Amino acid sequence: ETGVTQSPTHLIKTRGQQVTLRCSSQSGHNTVSWYQQALGQGPQFIFQYYREEENGRGNFPPRFSGLQFPNYSSELNVNALELDDSALYLCASSLVGQSNGYTFGSGTRLTVV
Amino acid sequence: DAKTTQPPSMDCAEGRAANLPCNHSTISGNEYVYWYRQIHSQGPQYIIHGLKNNETNEMASLIITEDRKSSTLILPHATLRDTAVYYCIVGAGYNQGGKLIFGQGTELSVKP
Repeated sequence: ETGVTQSPTHLIKTRGQQVTLRCSSQSGHNTVSWYQQALGQGPQFIFQYYREEENGRGNFPPRFSGLQFPNYSSELNVNALELDDSALYLCASSLVGQSNGYTFGSGTRLTVV
Repeated sequence: DAKTTQPPSMDCAEGRAANLPCNHSTISGNEYVYWYRQIHSQGPQYIIHGLKNNETNEMASLIITEDRKSSTLILPHATLRDTAVYYCIVGAGYNQGGKLIFGQGTELSVKP
């Protein structure tokens, strides 16, 4: 079985720009979650998608938005980038009801300059 | 905010057992204890989880106190590859689509 893959692995953007990060869920998984991890901190929950709808959201502003597609892949979109958005963005997938935990990707390192 | 408290760092000799403690005094009756670890520059990796009973798998053992206010993750024979940040997380079960609230974790250094 394939794991969670994220693209791109690294990205540099300018303040005020928009960015789209992509995630392919592990085969057979039907939920996807996104996390932001600043340097030296634990990951912070952004939101989760299930059946193509947002199923929970953390303390992030509306300029953070997402999509889940019928094949369970997902996108994270961030508008009006700020310097503090520089972080590692992690995608995690799971199957509702499973007991083996979330499978995380290796993340996208976003740098906003 | 995270509902768990962990020591910021620990050392362990290679080949010895690593015992990582976690306090979760405000855990609710239906909340699980999860452990993940994150090796530098990688995404977090699931290790184990439990509700009330002690659990063991091929990676580790999880010991949960009877009052469920604390737990210990045991890596029975630590290797250099176990050097990582270990996160103890309390949350709803996966069948409820629960999110994970990470704290600062414990940075475990396994030394030769």
